[in-house]
Amino acid sequence: DIQMTQSPASLSASLGETVTIECLASEDIYSNLAWYQQKPGKSPQLLIYYANSLNDGVPSRFSGSGSGTQYSLKINSLQSEDVSIYFCQQNYDSPNTFGAGTKLELK
Amino acid sequence: EIQLQESGPGLVKPSQSLSLTCSVTGYTITSGYDWSWIRKFPGNKMEWMGYISYSGSTNYNPSLKSRISITRDTSKNQFFLQLNSVTTEDTATYYCARYNVYYGSFDYWGQGVMVTVSS
Repeated sequence: DIQMTQSPASLSASLGETVTIECLASEDIYSNLAWYQQKPGKSPQLLIYYANSLNDGVPSRFSGSGSGTQYSLKINSLQSEDVSIYFCQQNYDSPNTFGAGTKLELK
Repeated sequence: EIQLQESGPGLVKPSQSLSLTCSVTGYTITSGYDWSWIRKFPGNKMEWMGYISYSGSTNYNPSLKSRISITRDTSKNQFFLQLNSVTTEDTATYYCARYNVYYGSFDYWGQGVMVTVSS
């Protein structure tokens, strides 16, 4: 299975700040990477697919980038509603595998 | 609007079978896409368990292959998860989700059902 190493495990940031979350794949996944946001008590919501494509309805302050084995999710101008756990997921090879998650809190 | 909703018992005894239902509204599961089960363990680790496709074919995570079965009832627009011989390590929140092959990702999720395996 392809291992997804996500960092940091937790992150504390202030309103208006820019934050970056990273995912490292154990092999090249050719941009077959998605990012999800899971708010407390809710199900995951798709933010980004194919590394840098914004899902419908997702605010433009979210962006994804990367290639090969290294990918990142950037949140510009952090808002209070962005407090969540963020996951990456690769779909290059079966089984789909997920990162361990990054818990984002407000400072 | 597409909606998925899991249902099933919240408590299962060790060695028994876990059975969950996912009811889908707003889209017919035979029209397209793959219909998946994913679980999230305490501590946030997520695991894709398997799917049943719109055509009825299935694909399972090899880590579960001997214990898992995903079936469907097209007349009710539902699909099902059965996980046999459960242990306490199967305690998790179970989600059903639609896998969008065009996006390579899960674009609709149910709200999740927490299942505890305990005697």
